[in-house]
Amino acid sequence: EPEVTQTPSHQVTQMGQEVILRCVPISNHLYFYWYRQILGQKVEFLVSFYNNEISEKSEIFDDQFSVERPDGSNFTLKIRSTKLEDSAMYFCASSGQGAGELFFGEGSRLTVL
Amino acid sequence: AQSVTQLGSHVSVSEGALVLLRCNYSSSVPPYLFWYVQYPNQGLQLLLKYTSAATLVKGINGFEAEFKKSETSFHLTKPSAHMSDAAEYFCAVRHGSSNTGKLIFGQGTTLQVKP
Repeated sequence: EPEVTQTPSHQVTQMGQEVILRCVPISNHLYFYWYRQILGQKVEFLVSFYNNEISEKSEIFDDQFSVERPDGSNFTLKIRSTKLEDSAMYFCASSGQGAGELFFGEGSRLTVL
Repeated sequence: AQSVTQLGSHVSVSEGALVLLRCNYSSSVPPYLFWYVQYPNQGLQLLLKYTSAATLVKGINGFEAEFKKSETSFHLTKPSAHMSDAAEYFCAVRHGSSNTGKLIFGQGTTLQVKP
């Protein structure tokens, strides 16, 4: 069964460092998303991406964040200069045309020290 | 704007008892509604979805949910809880007319199942 895969599963970084989280969406999907979940809190939308551009972003997704689809398979989230409050589980998701539901990866846990 | 409210951050039931997790939504257009489950240290897995077809939706693992427009609710039920149902459950709403619309999640409900 097709699935969304994310790497790394866990990353520990120092405050101020750049982090790149990687995702391989389901191959025939066209819409891609990043969400985050701070420990004990709700799942929050960060950004959606379609046709090689951001289609929507939340207020959380400030200038420190960027997304890219560098090739035909990967979808990345970059945090330029991490802050302590960026510590969270980051989920990548994808959906197909008219499918309705999002398919989520297992998540990448980011710990900023 | 759409929103989702899940009543009760923690629900505890005995094994074999009825499970009822509440979700109310707010949407200015016909919504698409979803329930996701998150097991410890895992990602989000779709349990079921409502996309304007049958109002009673059956999902995986014996769960079902009923869309009630008059009550703006989409409560999740299971007749008999199993220990393996212990997890975090999220209700979510999505704009019905756009496939690029984001999912908006509720706060989540932790289900505890006691032996």
